[in-house]
Amino acid sequence: QLVLTQSPSASASLGASVKLTCTLSSGHSSYAIAWHQQQPEKGPRYLMILNSDGSHSKGDGIPDRFSGSSSGAERYLTISSLQSEDEADYYCQTWGTGTVVFGGGTKLTVL
Amino acid sequence: QVQLQESGPGLVKPSQTLSLTCTVSGGSISSGGYYWSWIRQHPGKGLEWIGYIYYSGSTYYNPSLKSRVTISVGTSENQFSLKLSSVTAADTAVYYCARGHVVIDYWGQGTLVTVSS
Repeated sequence: QLVLTQSPSASASLGASVKLTCTLSSGHSSYAIAWHQQQPEKGPRYLMILNSDGSHSKGDGIPDRFSGSSSGAERYLTISSLQSEDEADYYCQTWGTGTVVFGGGTKLTVL
Repeated sequence: QVQLQESGPGLVKPSQTLSLTCTVSGGSISSGGYYWSWIRQHPGKGLEWIGYIYYSGSTYYNPSLKSRVTISVGTSENQFSLKLSSVTAADTAVYYCARGHVVIDYWGQGTLVTVSS
């Protein structure tokens, strides 16, 4: 079964960097994923697609501070030079034949 | 720039059918190339995929909702719709329409639908 696992919460200081993790279920380590950001009281916003080799392509207007990387079944979203507006929920998402799967989301707190 | 906007009743009675429409601007559903999705978010919870449709009418649904869901392309070339039948309080959520099914790259702002008598 295709499942994405995320830690429920993370925190980092203003101006620092943070690395969020999304883990693919067993047997699905070659899958690409997408990262989405949801700021408080807003709809989600597409950040990037991230491939198993770590290559990624960002959505329109996404700052260079956002980057992705991969290792095995893990997919990472790194946000550098954290700003207050980065405080949000971050969801990873993938797909299979006739299905779309979301991770449970990570709530990022900027201290 | 593609924009999506959900519309429909914000309050639905239990056992009735929830009906929402998504209007797309800056792009055409009928030009092909993309699937169009519905996703919902229960209050304070994560994202749940409902289903998606291609302009030709081909659809895929979340198995947990499949018996109650219908997604269709509207009479206008830039609209698609969601119907969810026999709703209960558990269907109270913010409903989003979006472009894509592999890469979901544009989202609507969402509309809250409350199921209550």
